[in-house]
Parts: sequence; structure tokens; C-alpha cells
Amino acid sequence: DAGITQSPRHKVTETGTPVTLRCHQTENHRYMYWYRQDPGHGLRLIHYSYGVKDTDKGEVSDGYSVSRSKTEDFLLTLESATSSQTSVYFCAISELGSDYGYTFGSGTRLTVV
Amino acid sequence: SQQGEEDPQALSIQEGENATMNCSYKTSINNLQWYRQNSGRGLVHLILIRSNEREKHSGRLRVTLDTSKKSSSLLITASRAADTASYFCATDAKGQNFVFGPGTRLSVLP
Repeated sequence: DAGITQSPRHKVTETGTPVTLRCHQTENHRYMYWYRQDPGHGLRLIHYSYGVKDTDKGEVSDGYSVSRSKTEDFLLTLESATSSQTSVYFCAISELGSDYGYTFGSGTRLTVV
Repeated sequence: SQQGEEDPQALSIQEGENATMNCSYKTSINNLQWYRQNSGRGLVHLILIRSNEREKHSGRLRVTLDTSKKSSSLLITASRAADTASYFCATDAKGQNFVFGPGTRLSVLP
């Protein structure tokens, strides 16, 4: 997806290990979001950022932390991965928050074994 | 509980037919959006409709919004096999971030 990339695309990790997912944008958008997608739940917001070093919790933030030290990068960390965090993770960006559409990355498929 | 929910959960139609999906939500909103997701891909923004708008068009897509009923519909006309995807509505309870429904899975058969 133009202007936004997620890495890695796939990852398998063991229970109890820390994991960091990266979202990188080249659009200079102020807002960045991390969602997880699970069958039957749609997308659920984990954390979001409205500027460098400005972040806030979403609906399902327990067990996750984020950092945004530069406009272009938004990192999601699973502090101690659990099997319930097996999911597909999507990053999204927006120029002006909820008044405009979001642009989504291609996702990271994370499996915790 | 989810702010928005799509109906039906799954829809199967023949190529050339129209497809209609509905979204119901619970609390007042500023904006409602529709997204498409092809299998294994990220979501693609289709249309944003504001609470003071009743209808918007984009190509073969038509979105309506009825704030009195707290519902929206997405109509895809003259469907194509390439329209096969999951479709999600997203609503922002006033001042909040968008919340996504579980989606409608559309299959367009050739």
C-alpha cells in the first residue's frame, strides 16, 4: 500500500518473548493507529498516536505498548507474547484523524506458539 | 460491544447483480466510512459520509445514511468478480476513534 509499510509481514514467536512490529509511513500524516483483526471481531484498536511522543490507548491495549519517536515510525511491542495475541496486525495512517479516511498497511501475521 | 455491525454476514450473488450491505450502529456519530478488504490484504477506504449527508456516490458505489435509524447501506451496482471481498463499516462515536464492525463477506460468482 502506497506510503505505508509494515514489517515483518509474517512472524512466529514463542510464548513469553517480546515482539516489536514496525509501521513506517512516507506521507507525513499526523495520526497513526495499530489494529488487530480476528475472525468475528472486525478490527479492534490497540493504540494510536496523534503526534510524535503523543500516544493513547485503544479498546484492547492490555499487553501492548507503543512508541513514536519520529513522525514516520510507529512501533508496537508485545511485552511478553501470549497465544491470545496471535492475530493479524494492521497499521493505519490518517492526515486529520476521523474526519478523513484511513490508509492501511498490508498487515503483519503474528503467530505465538 | 461493537458500535457498528454489518448485515448480512455473508452474501453471494451472480456477476451483474447489485449487492446491498447494511450497517447499524448504536450511538450518534460524526462520520461513517466503508472499507473493502480483499483476502490477505489491508483495508481500502471506499467512502466517508458525514452525519449531515444522506447519500454519496463513487463510481458503482452508493452509500446512504439514515441518522434517525442509525443505519447505513452500501450498494454496489453491476457487480463484478473483482468485487469479491469483505466490506466493513466504521463509525466514530462523537469525538472518538473509528470502530469497525465484523464485516460482510461478499462473493460474486461468474
